Amino acid sequence: QIQLVQSGAEVKKPGASVKVSCKASGYTFTSYGISWMRQAPGQGLEWLGWISAYNRNTKYAKKIQGRVTMTTDTSTNTAYMELRSLRSDDTGVYYCARDIGQQLIRYPDSWGQGTLVTVSS
Amino acid sequence: NFMLTQPHSVSESPGKTVTISCTGSSGSIASNYVQWYQQRPGSVPTTVIYEDNLRPSGVPDRFSGSIDSSSNSASLTISGLMPDDEADYYCQSYDSNSGVFGGGTKLTVL
Repeated sequence: QIQLVQSGAEVKKPGASVKVSCKASGYTFTSYGISWMRQAPGQGLEWLGWISAYNRNTKYAKKIQGRVTMTTDTSTNTAYMELRSLRSDDTGVYYCARDIGQQLIRYPDSWGQGTLVTVSS
Repeated sequence: NFMLTQPHSVSESPGKTVTISCTGSSGSIASNYVQWYQQRPGSVPTTVIYEDNLRPSGVPDRFSGSIDSSSNSASLTISGLMPDDEADYYCQSYDSNSGVFGGGTKLTVL
């Protein structure tokens, strides 16, 4: 079965960086993309970006462009999202999801369990 | 960037039918597929409708999706409401440069 397993919770200080991993299994990794979303406490879902596991092309939300880097490692079927210069409003649960778009953004169909990132001094 | 707008909340009684709207801000909402996700408190979102009106296996046919080009909106309709349907529902779509989620609608089954 399709599984995406994310790394554990993180607590960071303002200005620091965080890197969340997302290990995929149960499907051909390079036939899909990976989308990243986050959800601030009590708020809705926010799309952060997408990476093609096929050719590593990326698209990022304008709100975080310049602070985010999404990568993939096809040898371990793992995707990564690094967010830099963290602020308190970056606090939330970060989700990775398989995106059906191999070379273009489409939509998530299977989600990871989420990673809580807390930014606090 | 285009945006998707949903009502903040809706409520209805068990057994009734409820419709949640999702209105596109620019361009044609029919240009790209719309998906709907259900998120119960403390849980990961799951797909209830994909590609405008398709249901994943395991989602009951009480859930249906549609597109109305005249109002540039998508709709999720849930019939025969059950207490277990109480959740947040998000519409989602995309264009060539980004994905986008609606703000979410809290469904209360009274």
